[in-house]
Amino acid sequence: AQSVSQHNHHVILSEAASLELGCNYSYGGTVNLFWYVQYPGQHLQLLLKYFSGDPLVKGIKGFEAEFIKSKFSFNLRKPSVQWSDTAEYFCAVHTGGFKTIFGAGTRLFVKA
Amino acid sequence: EPEVTQTPSHQVTQMGQEVILRCVPISNHLYFYWYRQILGQKVEFLVSFYNNEISEKSEIFDDQFSVERPDGSNFTLKIRSTKLEDSAMYFCASTEGQLNSPLHFGNGTRLTVT
Repeated sequence: AQSVSQHNHHVILSEAASLELGCNYSYGGTVNLFWYVQYPGQHLQLLLKYFSGDPLVKGIKGFEAEFIKSKFSFNLRKPSVQWSDTAEYFCAVHTGGFKTIFGAGTRLFVKA
Repeated sequence: EPEVTQTPSHQVTQMGQEVILRCVPISNHLYFYWYRQILGQKVEFLVSFYNNEISEKSEIFDDQFSVERPDGSNFTLKIRSTKLEDSAMYFCASTEGQLNSPLHFGNGTRLTVT
């Protein structure tokens, strides 16, 4: 069965620290990959997406993610986090059909 | 920017009662979804809806659940007889014309079953 794994459930960083959140998926075919973010009290929002082409994709607010097909990974990165990045981050995979599968989420807390 | 809106934001109900969660998807979107998130757990797919019928559903979406698009704007999720384990955040989402389009989510309805 298709699945998405996010390695870190909770991450605490100080402002200006670099961030990398891991995401691995299990599916051998063509995938569309997403990172969504949920700020406290708000709805899930799209951060960035990968469909094809350049495996390094840039999203909003300085986030980027790299698709490494051989590792079935789509890790999220940001060089320097801010307090306002405190949120929960979800990796998601669409493998065809009508369903998008989400990871368990990573709660990021950035200390001011 | 157009939004997906959900009502109510919080619903408390007693076990065995029926609940209807309401959603207004973005007007030109064609695919509609319900997801849920039990506290502390992952966001889980429940059902997708296209062209006025269910296109895919998960094993969670059993006979107690139903969806409906009663008019041109609303998209509802009904739980016929709620159980304690139905307590969760329920998210409605919609997408444009392609299956792999990013999901646009509503703010969610927190359902508490007592």
